[in-house]
Amino acid sequence: SQKIEQNSEALNIQEGKTATLTCNYTNYSPAYLQWYRQDPGRGPVFLLLIRENEKEKRKERLKVTFDTTLKQSLFHITASQPADSATYLCAPADTNAGKSTFGDGTTLTVKP
Amino acid sequence: KAGVTQTPRYLIKTRGQQVTLSCSPISGHRSVSWYQQTPGQGLQFLFEYFSETQRNKGNFPGRFSGRQFSNSRSEMNVSTLELGDSALYLCASSWTGTGNYEQYFGPGTRLTVT
Repeated sequence: SQKIEQNSEALNIQEGKTATLTCNYTNYSPAYLQWYRQDPGRGPVFLLLIRENEKEKRKERLKVTFDTTLKQSLFHITASQPADSATYLCAPADTNAGKSTFGDGTTLTVKP
Repeated sequence: KAGVTQTPRYLIKTRGQQVTLSCSPISGHRSVSWYQQTPGQGLQFLFEYFSETQRNKGNFPGRFSGRQFSNSRSEMNVSTLELGDSALYLCASSWTGTGNYEQYFGPGTRLTVT
């Protein structure tokens, strides 16, 4: 069955450092992979989408990589700030419309 | 552009009752998906509607049902509520619902079953 694993439930880093979050998937080959941010008690917010033919994508302090051979995506936040503290969810998706599977998320805490 | 809205925001029901939740997508979005989020199970896909048709369904019992109206607004119904149905129910709208388009989530409905 399809499985998505995100690295350790919680990640604590110091302000200014780079946070790296991992998303591994097994038993399917997604054509796209999305990353979302979720704050407590609120719905997820879309951050980035990367396609299978793209190795890397950037948006401001965010960078996502997608390695279809390793079946892994890495999500980086550079120059992290306490405001970046949240849970980050990855969601690999294929071209089959409408069914999204989310990982359990990694909770990031950035300490001042 | 207005975001996704969900009503009600909070709901308390008794075991055995039924409940209907409502979701209004972003204007122009034709796909609406529903998710259940609990601390133990994470974000679980319930179903997705596109142009008034259920296009995808997750692994939930038949007590969970939904529909979509011609204006893309969607409702989700849970019958014969169980304690385990207590969760945050999120809806998300998307232009087409494919993996190539981001989903916009509403604030959710917090359902508590006692």
